[in-house]
Amino acid sequence: ETGVTQTPRHLVMGMTNKKSLKCEQHLGHNAMYWYKQSAKKPLELMFVYSLEERVENNSVPSRFSPECPNSSHLFLHLHTLQPEDSALYLCASSQVMDRDIGELFFGEGSRLTVL
Amino acid sequence: SQQGEEDPQALSIQEGENATMNCSYKTSINNLQWYRQNSGRGLVHLILIRSNEREKHSGRLRVTLDTSKKSSSLLITASRAADTASYFCATATSGGSYIPTFGRGTSLIVHP
Repeated sequence: ETGVTQTPRHLVMGMTNKKSLKCEQHLGHNAMYWYKQSAKKPLELMFVYSLEERVENNSVPSRFSPECPNSSHLFLHLHTLQPEDSALYLCASSQVMDRDIGELFFGEGSRLTVL
Repeated sequence: SQQGEEDPQALSIQEGENATMNCSYKTSINNLQWYRQNSGRGLVHLILIRSNEREKHSGRLRVTLDTSKKSSSLLITASRAADTASYFCATATSGGSYIPTFGRGTSLIVHP
């Protein structure tokens, strides 16, 4: 138990579905992250919410939409995904001070399969 | 852009042997971190080493950092089958970035 909870753990969806991944952290951190992990590729940073700023990887398609309603919750909304979007989606949190990141705490991930 | 790159990509050893993994990076860093990931699970933090540190220990883990060569190594001594996992380095660049970037990882298999 890392203090970061992701739901659902597994999700299968069709290309026309709309679904959301949820992440919640109980650590009092001020930064939350979405990463995508595909087989044999580096962990890809998708979005960061930190110190009330949002940073995004410009290569992430618009069919992925993040939402961070408060410092403890992070969502990833999914819409009209493609089969190549099938991957493990990892949420993490950390305490950022003076723009220096500390240790990242990861959730167990949401395994997404797009049919 | 990808910052850290682990080497080797895969490592297979016998229980009791030492395992050494390396990480190279491209730009100046504030700190470098090592993480472990069991198959299909989330990453777990192992050690953070700051740019002004050269070596750090935690149990059977030893991390070194050579900022002149822009490289780090993770040594696992007296390995166990339970150490079988993927190991990643993550870097936070100096100059204000708070975005941690990861490499592809080293897949370690420890045979009992």
